Amino acid sequence: TQLLEQSPQFLSIQEGENLTVYCNSSSVFSSLQWYRQEPGEGPVLLVTVVTGGEVKKLKRLTFQFGDARKDSSLHITAAQPGDTGLYLCAGAEAAGNKLTFGGGTRVLVKP
Amino acid sequence: NAGVTQTPKFQVLKTGQSMTLQCAQDMNHEYMSWYRQDPGMGLRLIHYSVGAGITDQGEVPNGYNVSRSTTEDFPLRLLSAAPSQTSVYFCASSYMTPRGRSYEQYFGPGTRLTVT
Repeated sequence: TQLLEQSPQFLSIQEGENLTVYCNSSSVFSSLQWYRQEPGEGPVLLVTVVTGGEVKKLKRLTFQFGDARKDSSLHITAAQPGDTGLYLCAGAEAAGNKLTFGGGTRVLVKP
Repeated sequence: NAGVTQTPKFQVLKTGQSMTLQCAQDMNHEYMSWYRQDPGMGLRLIHYSVGAGITDQGEVPNGYNVSRSTTEDFPLRLLSAAPSQTSVYFCASSYMTPRGRSYEQYFGPGTRLTVT
């Protein structure tokens, strides 16, 4: 079973600060996805990265896939209260539909 | 286009009771999955299906059955509920992206189940 560890588990920051969430594994993934989940709702896909070293930007969010495709990070610049939520990373097995999810990082951005 | 729908939204069962959680999608996705979410544990895969008539076990399949008679529907059955099955259950559908190496999941709103 491939395992994904996210850190930190919880992050509380003030509006305008930056934050980084990490997703690490000893296994190689063919692709890695990041989701955001708000209370009472299902996760919503933010981005998918598939190439080692790939960097994707989504407005103030920057996602990076490690060169060896074993780890990823999510960086938020100038966080806003609307960024509050549970951030989940999920790795896909090679040529498969099965996803392994990390435990999640709960982010709270205070105004 | 409703996406992925799940019913019921909330359910309370007594130990030993059975029930079916319903899931439907209208995006013509081949792949559908069931996950459970427990505090601090992310989402764990229960069962999944790669198409009508084909199902397989995920990480935590014990105590659950599934079937896939149509592309649209993927119900999850609890045959004899146990307190350990208290959780939030999410159904998801997915497709292979044009880049060919990832399956982006679309999740339903979830069913919050309590077993007493």
